[in-house]
Amino acid sequence: KQEVTQIPAALSVPEGENLVLNCSFTDSAIYNLQWFRQDPGKGLTSLLLIQSSQREQTSGRLNASLDKSSGRSTLYIAASQPGDSATYLCALNAGGTSYGKLTFGQGTILTVHP
Amino acid sequence: NAGVMQNPRHLVRRRGQEARLRCSPMKGHSHVYWYRQLPEEGLKFMVYLQKENIIDESGMPKERFSAEFPKEGPSILRIQQVVRGDSAAYFCASSNRWRNEQYFGPGTRLTVT
Repeated sequence: KQEVTQIPAALSVPEGENLVLNCSFTDSAIYNLQWFRQDPGKGLTSLLLIQSSQREQTSGRLNASLDKSSGRSTLYIAASQPGDSATYLCALNAGGTSYGKLTFGQGTILTVHP
Repeated sequence: NAGVMQNPRHLVRRRGQEARLRCSPMKGHSHVYWYRQLPEEGLKFMVYLQKENIIDESGMPKERFSAEFPKEGPSILRIQQVVRGDSAAYFCASSNRWRNEQYFGPGTRLTVT
C-alpha cells in the first residue's frame, strides 16, 4: 500500500527565503506525481505534474524534482513571498489498477511573513 | 475555459436526509474523480468515473454512498441517510484522457446537524 509523507508539517519563513518542501513515498512504482497548493477553505490548485519518466519540472519560481529510486520528491520555492502562504500537498498516481487514484500526503503548512 | 465547477458550495443537512453533490468537469475532460477531506485529515480518494462508467470505487463507503457520471449533465455524488460523520469537504477533480493531470473544483462543504 502506497504511503505518502510530507516533511515538515509546518514551516514559517521570512519573505525572500528559498525553501524546500519534501515528499516521500514507499512504493517507487508510480505513474506520476503532482504538487498542489490549497488555500484555507478553498480547493486545490495544481502547481506541477511530473511524469514517472521525468526528473524535474519548473514553473516560474517553482521547481519540483522526482527521484523514484529513493522514493522522494522535493518542491523548491525561490524567493518566497507572503502570497505563497498556503498548504502544499503532494499526490501520487500509482498507475496500473490504481490509475486515476491520487494518494495524498498530509501537507506542509507554509507561512511566509513580511 | 471555465474550471471544474461544483455546487452547492455549502450544504447543510439533518441526520437521515439525502445529500446530492454536483460536479461539472472542465470542458474537454471526460474523467471525473471524487475525494473527501474530513476535518483534520488528509484528502482521500473515493471514486473515479468516466462517462456512464465507474472505473474505480475502491474508496467509496460500502453503504449509503453512490456516484454517477451520466452521458449528459454533471457527475453526482449521492449520500443517503447522512450521519454526522459525513460532515466534510467533498472535492471533485477532472482530467482529459491523455494526461492524468487532475484539476480540482472549489469543493462542497457538507455539514450534517
